[in-house]
Amino acid sequence: SQQGEEDPQALSIQEGENATMNCSYKTSINNLQWYRQNSGRGLVHLILIRSNEREKHSGRLRVTLDTSKKSSSLLITASRAADTASYFCATEGAGGSNYKLTFGKGTLLTVNP
Amino acid sequence: DAGVTQSPTHLIKTRGQQVTLRCSPKSGHDTVSWYQQALGQGPQFIFQYYEEEERQRGNFPDRFSGHQFPNYSSELNVNALLLGDSALYLCASSLGMRWKETGGYTFGSGTRLTVV
Repeated sequence: SQQGEEDPQALSIQEGENATMNCSYKTSINNLQWYRQNSGRGLVHLILIRSNEREKHSGRLRVTLDTSKKSSSLLITASRAADTASYFCATEGAGGSNYKLTFGKGTLLTVNP
Repeated sequence: DAGVTQSPTHLIKTRGQQVTLRCSPKSGHDTVSWYQQALGQGPQFIFQYYEEEERQRGNFPDRFSGHQFPNYSSELNVNALLLGDSALYLCASSLGMRWKETGGYTFGSGTRLTVV
């Protein structure tokens, strides 16, 4: 079953604008990760935020995590046409023997030149 | 530094047949996980191999089995293929000791399996 739910399912913006995607999850986590997938191929890891962190930055990416609301957001600033892809959040559950990533259904981002 | 390598890239099989997919992890990684991604969906965890043993399994039937070799590479086997097994199969590598990991998993480009 899918743990995470990304919102919106699809997002279309102009180059240079910011894109914000949200993710909600259901159970306790060790960390939450964001991945990008181009055209149904492999996933590329973007950023990992641990359960005791609230905000993290990497280049044009900013991720926030609110464990009390079980939600996260991914902000891509100054978007480019090359950012067009599907974006997935994935959670690594709490517990010493939980190693799987549980993905949401993803947000399809289209950046128009 | 090679990333995760998966083979083959594409595969067409007939219902009822068996298939083997292969994965070589990123250099330095000792753990391999397999995921199934249906069209329009997020990846679903099949299982993870560490130290040549299945460490955790997702909600998949016994028709799905795997193996990890001493060099950390891995195979995913699917028996008695069903039409519903058509999907992108992704391999991801990582360090087994997750507390050492500061980043995410490294994914391969996947094997597109079509069952007809």
